[in-house]
Amino acid sequence: NAGVTQTPKFRVLKTGQSMTLLCAQDMNHEYMYWYRQDPGMGLRLIHYSVGEGTTAKGEVPDGYNVSRLKKQNFLLGLESAAPSQTSVYFCASSLKGSGANVLTFGAGSRLTVL
Amino acid sequence: GQNIDQPTEMTATEGAIVQINCTYQTSGFNGLFWYQQHAGEAPTFLSYNVLDGLEEKGRFSSFLSRSKGYSYLLLKELQMKDSASYLCAVLDSNYQLIWGAGTKLIIKP
Repeated sequence: NAGVTQTPKFRVLKTGQSMTLLCAQDMNHEYMYWYRQDPGMGLRLIHYSVGEGTTAKGEVPDGYNVSRLKKQNFLLGLESAAPSQTSVYFCASSLKGSGANVLTFGAGSRLTVL
Repeated sequence: GQNIDQPTEMTATEGAIVQINCTYQTSGFNGLFWYQQHAGEAPTFLSYNVLDGLEEKGRFSSFLSRSKGYSYLLLKELQMKDSASYLCAVLDSNYQLIWGAGTKLIIKP
């Protein structure tokens, strides 16, 4: 049982380049999330999805796009990377969105934008 | 605005007890979570409190006081493997998770 898998684990980009982070979960969870984690700050929600074919903006959505074409996959795209997007990105999933909403996280993707 | 406060860093001795505090100011409350995050790894779930009082789970306990906007995580019989960051998060009235910046716990032999 793999849980939540993120690829790639590390990536270096130049300003203006584009890339996609892939998240896959095998727990049949409805909800999926993309967070970024920066030093000295709490996890910040970028985008989330409450089910296949749906997406919604989180706290810091600018500069990112997402898609959830299949229930098990949640893709995070950067169309034109900026140095401010240097961060560690975590994907997470949960069975539901309310109550004891325990998140299962992926191992993280460290992105550096030069 | 919404705010979660935790100490940035704490140091404790192997075998001892440590209490990590979390205070919150959020728009509504639907529960409080504690997660553990080892350096370079993913956060993992430790506990969930929605009612006032103490929840005990092995060496770890979590306490909640909704009237005071306060929680703590108590770690007993500290082990070196407990060296990690501990993240406090509150589920607000819109069922959005608000995260604290985390407390880095350093365990010394």
